[in-house]
Amino acid sequence: GNSVTQMEGPVTLSEEAFLTINCTYTATGYPSLFWYVQYPGEGLQLLLKATKADDKGSNKGFEATYRKETTSFHLEKGSVQVSDSAVYFCALGTGNQFYFGTGTSLTVIP
Amino acid sequence: ETGVTQTPRHLVMGMTNKKSLKCEQHLGHNAMYWYKQSAKKPLELMFVYNFKEQTENNSVPSRFSPECPNSSHLFLHLHTLQPEDSALYLCASSPLTGGNYNSPLHFGNGTRLTVT
Repeated sequence: GNSVTQMEGPVTLSEEAFLTINCTYTATGYPSLFWYVQYPGEGLQLLLKATKADDKGSNKGFEATYRKETTSFHLEKGSVQVSDSAVYFCALGTGNQFYFGTGTSLTVIP
Repeated sequence: ETGVTQTPRHLVMGMTNKKSLKCEQHLGHNAMYWYKQSAKKPLELMFVYNFKEQTENNSVPSRFSPECPNSSHLFLHLHTLQPEDSALYLCASSPLTGGNYNSPLHFGNGTRLTVT
């Protein structure tokens, strides 16, 4: 079946620290992979995506590479800011179905 | 502006009330979704509509009743809810694509529902 597993939070980092949020997936076929971000009081916003193996999605300094050999799509950012504090969701899409991870809460302190 | 608008943003209702949540998308998409987001739980898919036809009902209790009059509008009718139904209800839309490629979902800001 299809599923997404992402690291448990919460994660607390100091400003300018390096961020990694792990995400692994199981899927039949060749899914598209996504990272979404949810700020307080809002819905989920697409952060980045990758549609095939070895694709790298990037946006706002965040990056994630679609690794088929390790079935992973880890989210990274070199230097986080206070404004990056939010909940991050890894997701996969296949056959017009979407599967989400449980979300990882990130707090960045000045 | 997300392109997907949900109203109301907050709703408090008693267990005997009947209310409706509304979702409207201005993106020209032809698939619409209802999700339930509860604290410390994964996002739960409730219903999916493709071209106004319901294609997914994820074992949702009958006290939740969806309606999709056209590809731009989606409703969730609520009646005799339970306190455990309190959650953030998210609407999303996407274009339908072929094969394994999925265009991303576009979400509204949700309706925060409290059942008393």
